[in-house]
Parts: sequence; C-alpha cells; structure tokens
Amino acid sequence: LAKTTQPISMDSYEGQEVNITCSHNNIATNDYITWYQQFPSQGPRFIIQGYKTKVTNEVASLFIPADRKSSTLSLPRVSLSDTAVYYCLVGAPMDSSYKLIFGSGTRLLVRP
Amino acid sequence: EPEVTQTPSHQVTQMGQEVILRCVPISNHLYFYWYRQILGQKVEFLVSFYNNEISEKSEIFDDQFSVERPDGSNFTLKIRSTKLEDSAMYFCASSLGGRDGTYEQYFGPGTRLTVT
Repeated sequence: LAKTTQPISMDSYEGQEVNITCSHNNIATNDYITWYQQFPSQGPRFIIQGYKTKVTNEVASLFIPADRKSSTLSLPRVSLSDTAVYYCLVGAPMDSSYKLIFGSGTRLLVRP
Repeated sequence: EPEVTQTPSHQVTQMGQEVILRCVPISNHLYFYWYRQILGQKVEFLVSFYNNEISEKSEIFDDQFSVERPDGSNFTLKIRSTKLEDSAMYFCASSLGGRDGTYEQYFGPGTRLTVT
C-alpha cells in the first residue's frame, strides 16, 4: 500500500481557499486517491476521489499531476464548520476488500 | 439520504464480558466494514465482509472478534472477552463497491465502547 504524507495541521480563516497537499510517491497503477473528512466523535465522511487530472464536486476539488505522486485537496471559501481532520488515502478500490488505511491526517482549524 | 446506523451509541462493559455492536448498513450496499478509533489515534481497519464472508481482516481482528450478517439488514461485531485496550470508538461502514462509480464508504456514527 502506498504511504501518504500530509501536513499535521493547517490554520486558515473563514472565506479563504485552503489547499492540502498529500505526497504518495509509491502510488501504484491501480490506486485511486481519496479524501475523507472527520469531525470529532463522528465517522469519516467521503469528500472526493480521483485517479488523474482534476476532479470537482460541490464540496471540493482534487488536483492530481501527471506523475500522480502527489495530490492537492482544495476547499474553496472555508467556513468555521470546515474545521476537521482531513485524510488522504491511496488504494486500489477494485480489490475485493478495499480497506481504507488512514494516516494521521491534517487537522484544519478555520478561524473567524 | 440513506445512512448507516449503529447501536448502541455508547456501551460500557466489564473486562472479560462479551459485547455485540450492531450496525444497519445502507440497504443496497454490498461491502461491509468495521473500523475502530482509540481516543486521539488513527482510524484503524478491522475487517471487511462481502458475499457473506470475511474478505480481509487486520492483525487487530484476532480470535476474540467475529462478525456476522444474521439477516438481510444487520451487520454485527462481537468481542468475546473484552480487554481494557478494546476501549475505542467502533465504526461500521458500507459501500456499493464501485457500482456508484466512487467506491465511497459510508460510515456510521460509531459506538463508543468503554471497558472497565
């Protein structure tokens, strides 16, 4: 399984765009990149998933360069409610189990 | 929006006792999972379940743990003889396994297990 590296914590202010970068140098051909969000005492929640280039949904954008060795989660105009831990995960969802291997994540604090 | 539910929300038990944590996955999902998170630590994979059998289990999931899907709706995690170190938040998750195009896992709200 590809190891991921992301910042331990980030601070931002309401209304700003936040970009969280994740390194995954050993990503395999079949691996997808997935981001989850977790609030205290709640289960993780899927944000976005991609394989290459750019993916956008109503919540976030995911930028993946051509070599796929890193990815950037972009949260536009964050609010206080975006304060959470954000996890970057790399794995091959076609595996029969597709277990999610969580790292320590990035603790995002959004200030007023 | 469909959601994964878990009961109880909090379970307190004495060391050595058996506990059963219950989950109702999203109805048309095919893949089921248990994860746990010790307070202040990472979310850890325990076991995955597909087609009425375990697909994969972690080192944590030893002989004290078992899972069952007794009917078409429930998915349970049993710990036969609880230890203090089993105290954690246990999350159930379910997935369509890619049939929705995203392989998204939907997590329940968790059961906080406290072993005294």
